[in-house]
Amino acid sequence: EAAVTQSPRSKVAVTGGKVTLSCHQTNNHDYMYWYRQDTGHGLRLIHYSYVADSTEKGDIPDGYKASRPSQENFSLILELASLSQTAVYFCASSDGAYAEQFFGPGTRLTVL
Amino acid sequence: GEQVEQRPPHLSVREGDSAVITCTYTDPNSYYFFWYKQEPGASLQLLMKVFSSTEINEGQGFTVLLNKKDKRLSLNLTAAHPGDSAAYFCAVSPSSNTNKVVFGTGTRLQVLP
Repeated sequence: EAAVTQSPRSKVAVTGGKVTLSCHQTNNHDYMYWYRQDTGHGLRLIHYSYVADSTEKGDIPDGYKASRPSQENFSLILELASLSQTAVYFCASSDGAYAEQFFGPGTRLTVL
Repeated sequence: GEQVEQRPPHLSVREGDSAVITCTYTDPNSYYFFWYKQEPGASLQLLMKVFSSTEINEGQGFTVLLNKKDKRLSLNLTAAHPGDSAAYFCAVSPSSNTNKVVFGTGTRLQVLP
C-alpha cells in the first residue's frame, strides 16, 4: 500500500488561476518535501516542513506557498499559476535529511 | 550553498557493458549521500545511501564509491541490462542545512540489447 500519495495525478490549469496540490503520507515521518522536476534540472526543492503547522522555503520558493496542517498532510499552493510552473511535482517524506526519502507518484501540472 | 554537478546527462551502453555516473559536490562537510533511480513514468526510489569518508558499497549489480577528498560520488553499474534503463540521481545533504538534500541534475541511462 502506497505510503505517499498525491492528488491530483495530473492537472491542467489556466494562467492566473489558483492550483492546490495535495500530499498525504502514512509513514509517520516528520519531514515532508515538495520538489519540481523539469527536464535538465533534476529535482529542485520548493518548500519543506519538519513539523506540523510550520513550513520552510526551499531553493526555488517564489510563486509557491505551502501548508502543513498535520503530520500526514502537506499542500503546495500556486496562487497565480504561470506558464513557467508547468512541470512534474513530487512530494516526499522522510525521517530527516540523513534518511531515505519516500516519494509520491508525482503530479503532472500543465499551465495553459 | 551546496552545488551538485552530475555527469553525463545522457548515457547509452550495450547490454553487458558497464556504466559510470559521477557527481561532484562543493561542500567538504557534506555527510550523507544518496543514489536514486527513476524508471520511465515512475517516481524515485532509493538505490543506496553512503556516509563514510571513503567507501565502496556494493549493491545488486552496482557499486557506489564515495571519495570525500575529491568530493566525488560515483555509481558504477556492472554488466548493465535493459532493466537498468532509467534516470539516476545523486543527492547530497549539505552541512549548511541539515534538513534537506540537494539533487544532481540526473543521468538518463539507456541500455541497448
